[in-house]
Amino acid sequence: EAGVTQFPSHSVIEKGQTVTLRCDPISGHDNLYWYRRVMGKEIKFLLHFVKESKQDESGMPNNRFLAERTGGTYSTLKVQPAELEDSGVYFCASSQDRREGFNQETQYFGPGTRLLVL
Amino acid sequence: AQKITQTQPGMFVQEKEAVTLDCTYDTSDPSYGLFWYKQPSSGEMIFLIYQGSYDQQNATEGRYSLNFQKARKSANLVISASQLGDSAMYFCAMREGPPVPIAGNMLTFGGGTRLMVKP
Repeated sequence: EAGVTQFPSHSVIEKGQTVTLRCDPISGHDNLYWYRRVMGKEIKFLLHFVKESKQDESGMPNNRFLAERTGGTYSTLKVQPAELEDSGVYFCASSQDRREGFNQETQYFGPGTRLLVL
Repeated sequence: AQKITQTQPGMFVQEKEAVTLDCTYDTSDPSYGLFWYKQPSSGEMIFLIYQGSYDQQNATEGRYSLNFQKARKSANLVISASQLGDSAMYFCAMREGPPVPIAGNMLTFGGGTRLMVKP
């Protein structure tokens, strides 16, 4: 079974440019999460999709960040325009629906996208 | 206030010895879950072990075990018989809240502990 995949693995852009990150969750996982880790800080939650709906976007830092999950499959996270402080590693994670009895709700992470804004 | 605290930024352990990575948490919710993830230098986050707040026994997964002390709000990871491949960053994380049908819950992470295994 394929794990969570993220594209690109690395991105270097200039301040003011736009970057779009993509996440493909594990097949059949309804829950999809975005997290990020900026240099020297903890991994922080950004938002959570259940299928195509945003369940919780309380962690989104500002309106320069836009996440979508069309059709409830893959998700994109767009940063427009990018600022220096957006540099960090962006992780995507997915998990199965708790109705399936998975009370544990383990989130499986992708390898992350390393974003550097110059 | 920090919800997840990992007080050891870096640790060394001799190969084949056991090591304990500390994690304390803070929550007023009676239902929660605690997770440990490993992040090797390649960058991916690998799920290691889970402990639910209502679980009566400490979780174990192969060489990994979780020393869960509920009253102290600690969930330390114990790695037995360390191997060179165990060198990595280790993150403790918590999911707060009762099981919710359909929707999951976000994870809150600690700052991580970098473990280095010496040959």
